[in-house]
Amino acid sequence: EADIYQTPRYLVIGTGKKITLECSQTMGHDKMYWYQQDPGMELHLIHYSYGVNSTEKGDLSSESTVSRIRTEHFPLTLESARPSHTSQYLCASSPLAGVYNEQFFGPGTRLTVL
Amino acid sequence: AQRVTQPEKLLSVFKGAPVELKCNYSYSGSPELFWYVQYSRQRLQLLLRHISRESIKGFTADLNKGETSFHLKKPFAQEEDSAMYYCALITVQGAQKLVFGQGTRLTINP
Repeated sequence: EADIYQTPRYLVIGTGKKITLECSQTMGHDKMYWYQQDPGMELHLIHYSYGVNSTEKGDLSSESTVSRIRTEHFPLTLESARPSHTSQYLCASSPLAGVYNEQFFGPGTRLTVL
Repeated sequence: AQRVTQPEKLLSVFKGAPVELKCNYSYSGSPELFWYVQYSRQRLQLLLRHISRESIKGFTADLNKGETSFHLKKPFAQEEDSAMYYCALITVQGAQKLVFGQGTRLTINP
């Protein structure tokens, strides 16, 4: 079934740890995105990709990094987690063709850094 | 710079009453606007987009370029409409990115 997956769904981790948030999609989409959302606030784009080996920074500055080695996989990494990284992270994907295409969202990862 | 404003963080109406969720935007180009919705314990999903001129689940939204608004309306609210609603615009120039408003939590009271 075509879907977009995020793991883990919840993560509580100590300061200074390296973490990777996984995002995979079986939608066959080329474009993928990472958004950060603090409680009660809007979603902010932090990274996006148009395809393999393409990664760009979004509007909100983030200390995280991403990679796109495979079309279906778009992991986000924090080398050294800090309490300021506590947030919800949403992954999304959309087809490459067309400007006004719907973005499909994953279930999100809620990260808490102690 | 592009910006989307949803002035109401919370909105509560009674079942059967009309509902209007406000959205204003600022964008130097010609905008394309969307409404996304997140029901309880579900993912964020597209509700409707301006370019399709569609009505989904009884909701409609009209783009008013003079007032730079894209308000979401439904004449008769239903309990299942309770959800978080986000207005968003897509930047057509350069990278096509969605810019979201802060969201409005809509509660329909029985």
